[in-house]
Amino acid sequence: GAVVSQHPSRVICKSGTSVKIECRSLDFQATTMFWYRQFPKQSLMLMATSNEGSKATYEQGVEKDKFLINHASLTLSTLTVTSAHPEDSSFYICSATPGLNLNEQFFGPGTRLTVL
Amino acid sequence: GENVEQHPSTLSVQEGDSAVIKCTYSDSASNYFPWYKQELGKRPQLIIDIRSNVGEKKDQRIAVTLNKTAKHFSLHITETQPEDSAVYFCAASSVYGNKLVFGAGTILRVKS
Repeated sequence: GAVVSQHPSRVICKSGTSVKIECRSLDFQATTMFWYRQFPKQSLMLMATSNEGSKATYEQGVEKDKFLINHASLTLSTLTVTSAHPEDSSFYICSATPGLNLNEQFFGPGTRLTVL
Repeated sequence: GENVEQHPSTLSVQEGDSAVIKCTYSDSASNYFPWYKQELGKRPQLIIDIRSNVGEKKDQRIAVTLNKTAKHFSLHITETQPEDSAVYFCAASSVYGNKLVFGAGTILRVKS
């Protein structure tokens, strides 16, 4: 149980285009989903927290107009990287929690984004 | 906000030896402390976690200890094996918002 999927696993795009990444909780309802970015040889950095039906909360330094997050249902959150640039190339990982103050987060397999 | 520091950044041990990774946190409201193992290009995998009402937890070769007063917690791996080689991350979160703050990571190399 507690499986989280992400799609796509890898994406290559041209500079200036937008890319959408999907995160799904397959066997539980996720009241909260989180989006992380991980650069090579670095730790996971939280980008934003999204709750179903409400606006995402972005971490300091993360541009909300560039990284659009939609959490339209209890099983799906999407991250859209708009006007992507080479510096946005990274490993993007989502996680989901069923809430109830249980703290544990279940991670998706990640999406490798390469912007040319 | 919470700040988590992790040491060492790299750790090399001989197969069969023990490995210890230490983390400190700053927010006394944090009450959940997971440890993750991450292999290259893959998702972090939860290997063990501890909550603030417990001082120690063990699962086979892996154990975690927590000192709330000193605000530090440690991962202990005994009888290390080559397949334990990976990057290990500690993290901390509080019941308020469930946000996880990660340490910088430790590259563990187990030499056979």
